[in-house]
Amino acid sequence: GNSVTQMEGPVTLSEEAFLTINCTYTATGYPSLFWYVQYPGEGLQLLLKATKADDKGSNKGFEATYRKETTSFHLEKGSVQVSDSAVYFCALSLYGGATNKLIFGTGTLLAVQP
Amino acid sequence: EAQVTQNPRYLITVTGKKLTVTCSQNMNHEYMSWYRQDPGLGLRQIYYSMNVEVTDKGDVPEGYKVSRKEKRNFPLILESPSPNQTSLYFCASSSPLMHRGTEAFFGQGTRLTVV
Repeated sequence: GNSVTQMEGPVTLSEEAFLTINCTYTATGYPSLFWYVQYPGEGLQLLLKATKADDKGSNKGFEATYRKETTSFHLEKGSVQVSDSAVYFCALSLYGGATNKLIFGTGTLLAVQP
Repeated sequence: EAQVTQNPRYLITVTGKKLTVTCSQNMNHEYMSWYRQDPGLGLRQIYYSMNVEVTDKGDVPEGYKVSRKEKRNFPLILESPSPNQTSLYFCASSSPLMHRGTEAFFGQGTRLTVV
């Protein structure tokens, strides 16, 4: 089946530290990959995406590269800020399917301390 | 402003009392769906709709109903809520259909507690 596995949290970092949140996927087809972010008390919003192998998605200093050979889409940021504290979800969708369905990982809580 | 609006944001109800959570989007999206978010499980799809009068089950549809009479609205109905439906619910919409990398837009969530 299709699934997403991401590292468990919480991840606690000091401001300006380097961030990596690991994400791997299993898919029967050729998925598009996403990172969504959920700030406290809010809905999810798209952070970045990649639609084919070796694509790099980037936004707000975050980056992730679509690695087909390792079925991974790890999220990185060089210097985190307190305002980055949120829950981060890795997700995939399958092109050509009957729906626009997203399959999510379990989410990783990031807490950044000043 | 493009948005997905859910109501209510918070709801406490008793077992067996029918309730409806409303969802409305102003982006003319064809695709709408409902997810529930539970600790350690991420978001799981309950129901989805590909257009007016077209709905289908997601991964966890038991105990829920939906309808899509208008393109902008997609209410979630719990005919007889039970405590295991206590969760955080999100409505989402997206367009175009079956396009690579389509972004989903989410509502702010409805936290439901069934006692």
